[in-house]
Amino acid sequence: DVKVTQSSRYLVKRTGEKVFLECVQDMDHENMFWYRQDPGLGLRLIYFSYDVKMKEKGDIPEGYSVSREKKERFSLILESASTNQTSMYLCASSSPRREQYFGPGTRLTVT
Amino acid sequence: GQSLEQPSEVTAVEGAIVQINCTYQTSGFYGLSWYQQHDGGAPTFLSYNALDGLEETGRFSSFLSRSDSYGYLLLQELQMKDSASYFCAVDTNTGFQKLVFGTGTRLLVSP
Repeated sequence: DVKVTQSSRYLVKRTGEKVFLECVQDMDHENMFWYRQDPGLGLRLIYFSYDVKMKEKGDIPEGYSVSREKKERFSLILESASTNQTSMYLCASSSPRREQYFGPGTRLTVT
Repeated sequence: GQSLEQPSEVTAVEGAIVQINCTYQTSGFYGLSWYQQHDGGAPTFLSYNALDGLEETGRFSSFLSRSDSYGYLLLQELQMKDSASYFCAVDTNTGFQKLVFGTGTRLLVSP
């Protein structure tokens, strides 16, 4: 079974803090993704990566950056957290069969 | 812009059949996916249609009409455990599987 794990289920941070969200997949997938999910808005793509050290902006990249130093690990970074970044963050990896496998999510609260 | 339209909520009784529609308008189209998400859980992949027609997987089927920019998910022999949110997603990039998600349809199955 494909497994995508995320470093925390719940996280509380203060405005202005730098926040790291970690994601690891164990299926040697090339592509990895970070989404945020907000009520009534569905899932929105923040960034994705198609190879080590390669990244592309998604639909809402402002205020975020990413890092992919190893194939299995994809990190999302909030350089200076703000209250409007309070959300559920979901990491995913995709197989060549066009299926995306999601991690359990990190619910981030910024106060 | 890019948009996907699906109903916000659908209700049905156990044993019934329900159809969740999705219409889309996107800058690129390579396929339509469906994902299921239970409350508090991660989205899980249900189906992917790249070509017109019906794809069947057990009790679930998915249909695509590219000329109409329309698809649907059909759930048969509904069970209580099918109560969840269902998201359609358009694959907008052939290489990276860059998905644009709809806002989700909440399905409530009653006894």
